[in-house]
Order: sequence, then structure tokens, then C-alpha cells
Amino acid sequence: DAGITQSPRHKVTETGTPVTLRCHQTENHRYMYWYRQDPGHGLRLIHYSYGVKDTDKGEVSDGYSVSRSKTEDFLLTLESATSSQTSVYFCAISEPPGVYGYTFGSGTRLTVV
Amino acid sequence: AQSVTQLGSHVSVSEGALVLLRCNYSSSVPPYLFWYVQYPNQGLQLLLKYTTGATLVKGINGFEAEFKKSETSFHLTNPSAHMSDAAEYFCAVSLYNNNDMRFGAGTRLTVKP
Repeated sequence: DAGITQSPRHKVTETGTPVTLRCHQTENHRYMYWYRQDPGHGLRLIHYSYGVKDTDKGEVSDGYSVSRSKTEDFLLTLESATSSQTSVYFCAISEPPGVYGYTFGSGTRLTVV
Repeated sequence: AQSVTQLGSHVSVSEGALVLLRCNYSSSVPPYLFWYVQYPNQGLQLLLKYTTGATLVKGINGFEAEFKKSETSFHLTNPSAHMSDAAEYFCAVSLYNNNDMRFGAGTRLTVKP
């Protein structure tokens, strides 16, 4: 989607290394989300943000941290990557939450070897 | 917490046939309900949503869904499948002012010529 971009699109990393995924939006939305998508599980919420420096945990937050220093950027960090974190990661934006649905980025496919 | 169950991980129909994708939700308060579509190697796109008001909602590409509170369902239909409808479809539930949108496991739709 033109208003939200994720980088990188693909990444292969080794077990134990830190990894940071970036989400950038141009819509000036207050709410931003990180989800992971795995077969048979749909999408599961990792962390979300409701403003600059305001973040909270989602359903599957263990092993992940986030930061939001600017409205437009939301970073997801895997502190020490594990094979169980091999997944497709999606960023989404919304305003206000829960009502109008989310706009998703194109995703980052992360492989941990 | 709210939850969604999609019945059938894979649905196959012939071109021109009726499409029916099933979704049941669980929520202690009136929910907001959504259908998203995901084409290969892309993010999710909002297909349609129910918030309040009319229980039959129409979306893009001829899709529609009906909110049935008594059955806790929000099934997605299309009267005539097109080859271009082949994709994965996700049902999701949210609450007002809530940052935890929950997704079903997804249903992959195949359209046969």
C-alpha cells in the first residue's frame, strides 16, 4: 500500500543475532501494529503503538521489542533471533483503532537459520 | 478476549459458481467484523466491514457478508466466482477503541476454470 512501507522485504539471518524490521507510514495515523503470519494461525499481534513512545504488548510479544520515536516509524526488533521466529511480519496502521479496519504493508519474510 | 473461527482452510469452486466462506466469532460485547483478502506475496486488503447499522454489508469485487448476531456469524459470499478471486481470505473481529484485532486462520479460495 502506498501509505505504508516495510523494509526489508526479505531477510535471512542466523540464530542468536539481533534483527530490526522497519515500518514507515505517510498517513499520520496514530496507531501502528506489528503482526506475524504463520500457516494455520492467521495473524497474531506482537506489539502495537498508540503514539510516539507509547507501545504495548500483544498476544505473542515474547522475544520481541518495539520502538516508536516518530509518528511515521515503528521498529520491530528481535533481540536474539530463533528459528521459531521464522515468519512473515506485517505492519498495519489504523485510525481510530478497531473501527475502520487496518491498512497493511506488504510484509517482511524473515528466515532464521 | 474476542476470537474468530473460520470453517474450512480450503474452499474450491468453479468459475461462475457461488462462493461461501464461513466465519463465526466470539465476543462479550458488540463486535466490529471484517473480511480481508490476501493475494500471493502481498499484504492484506480490507474487503468489507461491519460496525453498526445494516447487517448486510457489501464490499469490493461483488463480495458481501451478513452479520447474524443470533448465530454469531459473519459469512462471506459472492454469487459468481471469478478466476481473479483466487486468494486467501481472513475474517477478523475487533471491539470499539480496542487495539487487539483478532484474525481467523484463513481460508484459501481456489477457482477452477
